[in-house]
Amino acid sequence: QKEVEQNSGPLSVPEGAIASLNCTYSDRGSQSFFWYRQYSGKSPELIMFIYSNGDKEDGRFTAQLNKASQYVSLLIRDSQPSDSATYLCAVRSGGSYIPTFGRGTSLIVHP
Amino acid sequence: DAGVTQSPTHLIKTRGQQVTLRCSPKSGHDTVSWYQQALGQGPQFIFQYYEEEERQRGNFPDRFSGHQFPNYSSELNVNALLLGDSALYLCASSQGDEQFFGPGTRLTVL
Repeated sequence: QKEVEQNSGPLSVPEGAIASLNCTYSDRGSQSFFWYRQYSGKSPELIMFIYSNGDKEDGRFTAQLNKASQYVSLLIRDSQPSDSATYLCAVRSGGSYIPTFGRGTSLIVHP
Repeated sequence: DAGVTQSPTHLIKTRGQQVTLRCSPKSGHDTVSWYQQALGQGPQFIFQYYEEEERQRGNFPDRFSGHQFPNYSSELNVNALLLGDSALYLCASSQGDEQFFGPGTRLTVL
């Protein structure tokens, strides 16, 4: 059973701080890693994907991948109240067309 | 460029009934996947359609079935509804690795 684990939170950070969201996965054959943002009552929205070890930056978001330790993280710089949402980590293994989703981490950014 | 669309937005059914949900993929996308998301959980994969065939299936009973049409749109059918089928049903389309979700259909089974 391929597992993707996330702390459900909530993670509470002040406005302007860096929010750090973490995700671990069980399958060493995993190849693709995704972060989705989901506002309450809405559908998930893809915000980042990463395939190689290291960091990938897009605006205020940075995805970090460490395959040896089997974790992927998402950093949100200069957090805003509008970033308050549930962040879903998804991991796709080789040989599967479909990523496995974690249950998500709730992020609250307070003014 | 329209994104992924789903209909209906909300649906209320009673136990034992059957339901059909519909999805139109993003322009240029040929693959449609369906997910069930219960409150407080991540999306659970139901099945994926590609070239009008079911390409991969998750751990859902045969009561859940689907179809993909030549224009890549798709339907999800659920028979003999149970209370536990109440959830947000999400359709995602893709061309390659990145999936884009539709707004979802909220199904309530009474």
